[in-house]
Amino acid sequence: GAVVSQHPSWVICKSGTSVKIECRSLDFQATTMFWYRQFPKQSLMLMATSNEGSKATYEQGVEKDKFLINHASLTLSTLTVTSAHPEDSSFYICSAREQGAREKLFFGSGTQLSVL
Amino acid sequence: GESVGLHLPTLSVQEGDNSIINCAYSNSASDYFIWYKQESGKGPQFIIDIRSNMDKRQGQRVTVLLNKTVKHLSLQIAATQPGDSAVYFCAETSSGNTPLVFGKGTRLSVIA
Repeated sequence: GAVVSQHPSWVICKSGTSVKIECRSLDFQATTMFWYRQFPKQSLMLMATSNEGSKATYEQGVEKDKFLINHASLTLSTLTVTSAHPEDSSFYICSAREQGAREKLFFGSGTQLSVL
Repeated sequence: GESVGLHLPTLSVQEGDNSIINCAYSNSASDYFIWYKQESGKGPQFIIDIRSNMDKRQGQRVTVLLNKTVKHLSLQIAATQPGDSAVYFCAETSSGNTPLVFGKGTRLSVIA
């Protein structure tokens, strides 16, 4: 199947710093990418839909100024957690849909963010 | 047996037995469903999918059943192996460019 690469796989940062997470589709073009957040022992919660060349669509309750999403090319979307705080500590997972494919999503390996 | 933990229900099965993981979905307009397997610290891994015009689909050692009347989805794993131990999520979406919505998940624990 298609491969989605997510980097870094884990990051530890101090409170107040910003962290950027990259999501790349390696062997296909993705017009749409999705960012999910997952707390321990819970399901994946959709944060935002990232569309190439346009603004991201955020789910209710997700602060767009806190979680900046950029989808500058058909193979790369980035999520920046700005001024991170301990409550932002979580597992962040990106997924990508192949251009032209209707529903099938491929997932990255996730990024474990720990804010001290 | 099956038990409900703090957040995730857990299903414990003996190695070699069949496992059945259930999922109730919420949106009657959903027409595409996927089962994912997630191991600790990793992203979800695609297992099998099914469209709403079907009620059963089989893969290698796995079968997905869809009951649209009661909005219920199940994943059956034959001859469960230790490597099947993971959290399993169902996900639903409707036609078009809509995002997947994930169910709560079930932790499968295989007893050797």
